[in-house]
Amino acid sequence: DQQVKQNSPSLSVQEGRISILNCDYTNSMFDYFLWYKKYPAEGPTFLISISSIKDKNEDGRFTVFLNKSAKHLSLHIVPSQPGDSAVYFCAARDFTGGGNKLTFGTGTQLKVEL
Amino acid sequence: GAVVSQHPSRVICKSGTSVKIECRSLDFQATTMFWYRQFPKQSLMLMATSNEGSKATYEQGVEKDKFLINHASLTLSTLTVTSAHPEDSSFYICSAQGGNTEAFFGQGTRLTVV
Repeated sequence: DQQVKQNSPSLSVQEGRISILNCDYTNSMFDYFLWYKKYPAEGPTFLISISSIKDKNEDGRFTVFLNKSAKHLSLHIVPSQPGDSAVYFCAARDFTGGGNKLTFGTGTQLKVEL
Repeated sequence: GAVVSQHPSRVICKSGTSVKIECRSLDFQATTMFWYRQFPKQSLMLMATSNEGSKATYEQGVEKDKFLINHASLTLSTLTVTSAHPEDSSFYICSAQGGNTEAFFGQGTRLTVV
């Protein structure tokens, strides 16, 4: 049962354009959402997060949007840079049901082309 | 962000031997550490959650006698793969949390069992 889904396994974007990565979830008890970036053979690095009481959080080129009614969140990267090419995982936390345990999506491979 | 160091980054071992992987939080006290496994082109799969000073909680389907987890201090957790077999070859990643909502990940360990 995949509670966090990233339906696009890959995304290709031109440098300078906007990258939009999507994530859907099924567990309405998730209260905190995070995005991680991962390069091959490395651990994920934290990018940005959002609490379920907000609908937007912005940090530099990265903005995360949360639509609770649709159980959908997205990560916007603008402008996209070649160094952004990596696998992006969204993750969600159900504090009441699982403590600090995070449930991860399957990841989206982003490729930013020159 | 906080630093989590995982060692070794790469290990090759013979079938039947045991391998220990260390995960250290370098600049914060990690009350909870998580161990993940990642298969090629798949998401991070949580194996177990360990809290300092108590027994680890294993996810369904993970053999606790095969994957021994020790969280003896607030800065160190170890994962020992006992009697390793080729099917245990994978990328193992730890993460640590010190009560905050973000999880900080180690660099990962590529285990190859020959």
